[in-house]
Amino acid sequence: QSALTQPPSASGSPGQSVTISCTGTSSDVGGYNYVSWYQQHPGKAPKLMIYEVTKRPSGVPDRFSGSKSGNTASLTVSGLQAEDEADYYCSSYAGSNVIFGAGTKLTVL
Amino acid sequence: QVQLVESGGGVVQPGGSLRLSCAASGFIFSNYGIHWVRQAPGKGLEWVAAIWYDGSNKYYADSVRGRFTISRDNSKTTLYLQMNSLRVEDTAVYYCARDRGSYGQDIDSWGQGTLVTVSS
Repeated sequence: QSALTQPPSASGSPGQSVTISCTGTSSDVGGYNYVSWYQQHPGKAPKLMIYEVTKRPSGVPDRFSGSKSGNTASLTVSGLQAEDEADYYCSSYAGSNVIFGAGTKLTVL
Repeated sequence: QVQLVESGGGVVQPGGSLRLSCAASGFIFSNYGIHWVRQAPGKGLEWVAAIWYDGSNKYYADSVRGRFTISRDNSKTTLYLQMNSLRVEDTAVYYCARDRGSYGQDIDSWGQGTLVTVSS
């Protein structure tokens, strides 16, 4: 049950786009379309931003998008805004459990 | 709207026990799988356990299997986590989280968490 691999940090200026990767294996990310992305601000509970690889819950801006290729999923944030600065975690179903990535701290410069 | 309220956290000595509860409202509790996820101070999210909508199947992380037990009472719309043989490394905020479906595959809603501190 190893954690999914995410870069520890990412950054971009307001208005720019940034992409965060999430690499697993064929037993998790590559094997199922149950990949989700969560945003977490300091001291707060995580918030679902993307589910089933590409789907956005109602209320999540369309600046957030998801994709997957093979064993790697990605979250892209377009038109960066100051409030996007947060930790982002990916997760994947893995057959009988859920695995999270170690998290990426997104900084808006 | 979906509401999940955890309780039962606190300070416990290594080797001790604690039972967490999660009161759910705003949705048909008996239709959904539910998870426990924890976050150690300054660390990332770690999935702990999940239970099917009807309680018939339960799954655990290797780090807690044999020590923790997840259960639910659909008549009380409440989820539980019985934690035994606690270790210092179990110190974390414990979140109750709803699955998007019935079978513990995908989390869509989170509670605010309850802090468990294991220390002598």
